Amino acid sequence: DAGITQSPRHKVTETGTPVTLRCHQTENHRYMYWYRQDPGHGLRLIHYSYGVKDTDKGEVSDGYSVSRSKTEDFLLTLESATSSQTSVYFCAISAVGVYEQYFGPGTRLTVT
Amino acid sequence: GQQLNQSPQSMFIQEGEDVSMNCTSSSIFNTWLWYKQDPGEGPVLLIALYKAGELTSNGRLTAQFGITRKDSFLNISASIPSDVGIYFCAGLADRGSTLGRLYFGRGTQLTVWP
Repeated sequence: DAGITQSPRHKVTETGTPVTLRCHQTENHRYMYWYRQDPGHGLRLIHYSYGVKDTDKGEVSDGYSVSRSKTEDFLLTLESATSSQTSVYFCAISAVGVYEQYFGPGTRLTVT
Repeated sequence: GQQLNQSPQSMFIQEGEDVSMNCTSSSIFNTWLWYKQDPGEGPVLLIALYKAGELTSNGRLTAQFGITRKDSFLNISASIPSDVGIYFCAGLADRGSTLGRLYFGRGTQLTVWP
């Protein structure tokens, strides 16, 4: 298994509060991704990173920001959580020149 | 974004039967990946395909990269209870870019009856 951990694994928060999810990898892979998974929508890309401090938006980036200050860590922040952000969030990693992505165990976020 | 149509959405089969599922796109893809997801876990990569017409096996699983480059197929032979889960296809349109932007199908939920 790829060395990817996500924290927390479960979180319940209230509407309007800030939330930060963490993805940590031990593979030293350059690329990291955040996806959300919702019934009927499959996996959708939120943001991705192609190196330290290099990030870009995916297809559902509104309401989310990311940061990557170290190769091993990729943070996803919901500045002011809304109920529509209730979802399961997955981090993924891939190496340079390799198109296969490996996923973490996920974080289940509930916004009440 | 790219649209991947995965079918069937769900399958209910008896242990020992063979399974087939497929994924189609309106656009050409240069890479196809197949993942399996167990409840409460992240998707796990099963098979990667890089060339049109390629047929690749992983144990009882066989996947094919369609000749048109707009589809891919996954077959599971002699299903067993641990095959239960959701199977996702994923396609990569631009392999020349430095970043692999994957687009996912909505998944096929497989249930295996003993």
